[in-house]
Amino acid sequence: QVQLVQSGAEVKEPGASVKVSCKASGYTFTGYGISWVRQAPGQGLEWMGWVSAYNGNTNYAQKVQGRVTMTTDTSTSTAYMELRSLRSDDTAVYYCASSRYGSIYDYGMDVWGQGTTVTVSS
Amino acid sequence: SSELTQPPSVSVSPGQTARITCSGDALPKQYSYWYQQKPGQAPVLVMYKDNERPSGIPERFSGSTSGTTVTLTISGVQAEDEADYYCQSTDSSGIFCMFGGGTKLTVL
Repeated sequence: QVQLVQSGAEVKEPGASVKVSCKASGYTFTGYGISWVRQAPGQGLEWMGWVSAYNGNTNYAQKVQGRVTMTTDTSTSTAYMELRSLRSDDTAVYYCASSRYGSIYDYGMDVWGQGTTVTVSS
Repeated sequence: SSELTQPPSVSVSPGQTARITCSGDALPKQYSYWYQQKPGQAPVLVMYKDNERPSGIPERFSGSTSGTTVTLTISGVQAEDEADYYCQSTDSSGIFCMFGGGTKLTVL
């Protein structure tokens, strides 16, 4: 069974950092990349970036560039997204997503994690 | 432009055809994708490469493209299709993904 399982909810103070994990199973993790997408309360989806599980290459959205780092650990088939200097508008559900069949740039994101709620509040 | 524009809402009666549009300057050159999201759930891919349907997605879902606009069509809408729908594509470089603002489909 193909699935992505994310770490649990986090509550952070403004200015802190958060690191969310996403463990893959049921498909070839190193074959394709992992995208991170977030959704603020009552809002739409926002693409944050992509990391290659093959060579660690990354593409980050301009909005989070400089505050985000996406990595993978092929030994555990786990992807990580770290966001620094948190602000209240970073409060959102964070999803990891991937493709079972190839690049997400060809096949879209057909596998999603369950989401991780990150709350930034003092 | 690096934006995708969707109508905020579409309403149809059961059995009718729903059409959800998405406009963007890069769409003639880049693939589009569509996701369905129900409250409290992760998105589900319902269309990829403009008009390819993933396995398990009902045949009533179809996609089309015309110039800078792509369209998700749901024929014979059912109550279970009520959800938010998001289009997704990339900018002209093909590297940076983006989502439309989402369309709430209401089945009357």
